[in-house]
Amino acid sequence: ETGVTQSPTHLIKTRGQQVTLRCSSQSGHNTVSWYQQALGQGPQFIFQYYREEENGRGNFPPRFSGLQFPNYSSELNVNALELDDSALYLCASSLDGGRGTEAFFGQGTRLTVV
Amino acid sequence: QKEVEQDPGPLSVPEGAIVSLNCTYSNSAFQYFMWYRQYSRKGPELLMYTYSSGNKEDGRFTAQVDKSSKYISLFIRDSQPSDSATYLCAMERGTGFQKLVFGTGTRLLVSP
Repeated sequence: ETGVTQSPTHLIKTRGQQVTLRCSSQSGHNTVSWYQQALGQGPQFIFQYYREEENGRGNFPPRFSGLQFPNYSSELNVNALELDDSALYLCASSLDGGRGTEAFFGQGTRLTVV
Repeated sequence: QKEVEQDPGPLSVPEGAIVSLNCTYSNSAFQYFMWYRQYSRKGPELLMYTYSSGNKEDGRFTAQVDKSSKYISLFIRDSQPSDSATYLCAMERGTGFQKLVFGTGTRLLVSP
């Protein structure tokens, strides 16, 4: 167990709706990164939050947004859901911006868009 | 061309076999190399973490990095049915923000 927890574990949404996914980082970690893993693929980097600021972003549209709170937990919000957004969403917890440090993943939230 | 290439498998071996899993990459800026194990419908679990070239051993697992060839490997000795999972290689530059770049994962099946 990594100590990184995500909620909910499963979610079904309708195309066009909005969704919020949550992540609690490992104790002592101040950095949370979000990844999208489509079926049969490796995780793809969405963005990273370090000390409540977005610290870097991958190739995802602006309808993917996030927050980090003072306790370093984080949210991923996706607006205007599309069918291709169906995937396992993973958060990873690390220390001090994460550069060159170990990243530990939660169990993921499986999002299905119908 | 993807930055990280990994054979998706599946790779089927009998219990007790030595397993070799590999990734190649194109970005010479990568400095940190990781192997994650992912069971079905679960998050990735960090197995091995190495910096630059060389070998690292942890129990039945050995990770090798050859930066000159842009090639990394994970060896599993005395494989067990419980090792059946998808193995993901990942790497990062170690500068700027942490952005792990993953391979597609290799599915390993160890039969009793």
